[in-house]
Amino acid sequence: SQQGEEDPQALSIQEGENATMNCSYKTSINNLQWYRQNSGRGLVHLILIRSNEREKHSGRLRVTLDTSKKSSSLLITASRAADTASYFCATVPGNTGKLIFGQGTTLQVKP
Amino acid sequence: KAGVTQTPRYLIKTRGQQVTLSCSPISGHRSVSWYQQTPGQGLQFLFEYFSETQRNKGNFPGRFSGRQFSNSRSEMNVSTLELGDSALYLCASSLSGTGNPGANVLTFGAGSRLTVL
Repeated sequence: SQQGEEDPQALSIQEGENATMNCSYKTSINNLQWYRQNSGRGLVHLILIRSNEREKHSGRLRVTLDTSKKSSSLLITASRAADTASYFCATVPGNTGKLIFGQGTTLQVKP
Repeated sequence: KAGVTQTPRYLIKTRGQQVTLSCSPISGHRSVSWYQQTPGQGLQFLFEYFSETQRNKGNFPGRFSGRQFSNSRSEMNVSTLELGDSALYLCASSLSGTGNPGANVLTFGAGSRLTVL
């Protein structure tokens, strides 16, 4: 089973609106990462948040991490059509050494 | 700095055949990971190689194998292809591997899309 599960599975918004997607995971982690994938392409790393951090910003991205609830959220502010993509969270469960991805949230930003 | 290069980008095979996919990591990256992506199963971890050794393995049958060369380039092989092996195969490299919490950010290639008929 997947370590991370994203919610919602799909999200459709208008350009300029904010998009929020959530990720829940099952076991202890050292850090959590978010990646973006444009249709049928490779993934691109967006941001990494460490287990001792609660919030991190990168441009229009804001990531939060709540280790007590084993959950993270990715907020994209002032979305653009170019943000249309699938977004995945990824973690290394315990000491497995394997970076495991969630099922992803598909975001559509309408112009 | 060149990115992660995967070849071939597209290929079509028939059931029972075998396929070899190649991945050239970013210069200096010693870890290469492989993932299978399908609409139904999402991104599934196949294996990770570091310094020519398989360090981690996912839950795939023995038909899926890989190797890494001394220059960190990696290949994966799928033998006796099945229809369900149709997928986008993604390779990713990192400095020291996904088990290192300080340096496990992956850089992905564009993928090899395999269609099995």
